[in-house]
Amino acid sequence: DAKTTQPTSMDCAEGRAANLPCNHSTISGNEYVYWYRQIHSQGPQYIIHGLKNNETNEMASLIITEDRKSSTLILPHATLRDTAVYYCIVRVGGGTSYGKLTFGQGTILTVHP
Amino acid sequence: GAVVSQHPSWVICKSGTSVKIECRSLDFQATTMFWYRQFPKQSLMLMATSNEGSKATYEQGVEKDKFLINHASLTLSTLTVTSAHPEDSSFYICSAHDPRGPYEQYFGPGTRLTVT
Repeated sequence: DAKTTQPTSMDCAEGRAANLPCNHSTISGNEYVYWYRQIHSQGPQYIIHGLKNNETNEMASLIITEDRKSSTLILPHATLRDTAVYYCIVRVGGGTSYGKLTFGQGTILTVHP
Repeated sequence: GAVVSQHPSWVICKSGTSVKIECRSLDFQATTMFWYRQFPKQSLMLMATSNEGSKATYEQGVEKDKFLINHASLTLSTLTVTSAHPEDSSFYICSAHDPRGPYEQYFGPGTRLTVT
């Protein structure tokens, strides 16, 4: 699975949009981009995933560049409860590695009042 | 979304004893579950993949005789840390794939193990 690069930490004001970038320049054509987050001392929480089209759900939006070498997770109106470590993971869907997730160091997002 | 539970949420044990951690999928059947370990201020590291009715697949460097995994049913996987030592103290997290969903993997709340 392709490796990802994320900033170590980011800050965001409450109520503003949080834009978390992720570089995955070696992504393959059959690899998806997944985002999870982990609030302190809890298990990771699935946020969103996509292949090449932009995606939106009730939690966030995922913008993937046309060349698929980078993506941005957008939390449109960050709240204090969004403070967490955000992980960008690239993974093949299906096959022998089905389900296997490789976590990097992630981005520590701190939302402040 | 799908719900995965873990029991216990925390446990303290003495060095040399064994500890069993349970992972359950509450509202779906999971043929595949995963076990991760997370040390303080570090990321999650996959330990093993647990498949219902067959032997677990361990990641490189993980001792299969020390970390026993049993996936006896479609809703339960157990991780037993045998002869635990202080260096085994960690946050253990399981996850399960919900076959009804589009590749989503749901995580349990984690189990904090402290070995004294």
